[in-house]
Amino acid sequence: DIVLTQSPDSLAVSLGERATITCKSSQSVLNGANSKNYLAWYQQKQGQPPKLFIYWASTRESGVPDRFSGSVSGTDFTLTISSLQPEDVAVYYCQQYYGLPVTFGQGTRLEIK
Amino acid sequence: QEQLVQSGAEVKKPGASVRVSCAASGYMFTGYYIHWVRQAPGQGLEWMGWTNPYTGGTFYAQKFQGRVTMTRDKSITTAYMELARLRSDDTAVYYCVRDGKALAGNIGFDIWGRGTMVTVSS
Repeated sequence: DIVLTQSPDSLAVSLGERATITCKSSQSVLNGANSKNYLAWYQQKQGQPPKLFIYWASTRESGVPDRFSGSVSGTDFTLTISSLQPEDVAVYYCQQYYGLPVTFGQGTRLEIK
Repeated sequence: QEQLVQSGAEVKKPGASVRVSCAASGYMFTGYYIHWVRQAPGQGLEWMGWTNPYTGGTFYAQKFQGRVTMTRDKSITTAYMELARLRSDDTAVYYCVRDGKALAGNIGFDIWGRGTMVTVSS
């Protein structure tokens, strides 16, 4: 199984500041057929289902604010929020859908400092 | 709009079975795999398996093999997940999700149901 390890487990950032969450994969999730990393990021607010925010490691889903960005370096993935807003308080999960079983990181809780 | 509507909350006794339904609308049901993901209270996300609504084919996580059955009814564009021999640690919210895709390939789980709370308690 592909193991995804997120860090940190929780994060408190001041409004307007940058928030960075990392997700390390135990192996490559690069699909050689289309050169896409099959790594997604989800936002889950309290009492709601998760919402797809970023796929292919760096492509924002429709409607996601451009302050959210994703990047990759090898098997290390990063979700960055450039300027934290109150509505960004949530738990963020990374997910790989390259191999079966599909796996998720353990989640990172983002709060306002 | 594209959506997945799940059945209501369930309370079951240990050893019983539960079936959760997931009605799809607003898109071509047979064109996208349906996955099931569960989340225990205060915990993370756990993938359970998928069903191919076109063929009826399935793939289950090893942890659930022998206990889970995923099916679908194309005539009413509904997917089902049945979990047998319930235990207290099966208490969780169960989500059905659509396996999204773009021209270049799969994009992850783009549509989520609201979730079905299953409580296992004696």
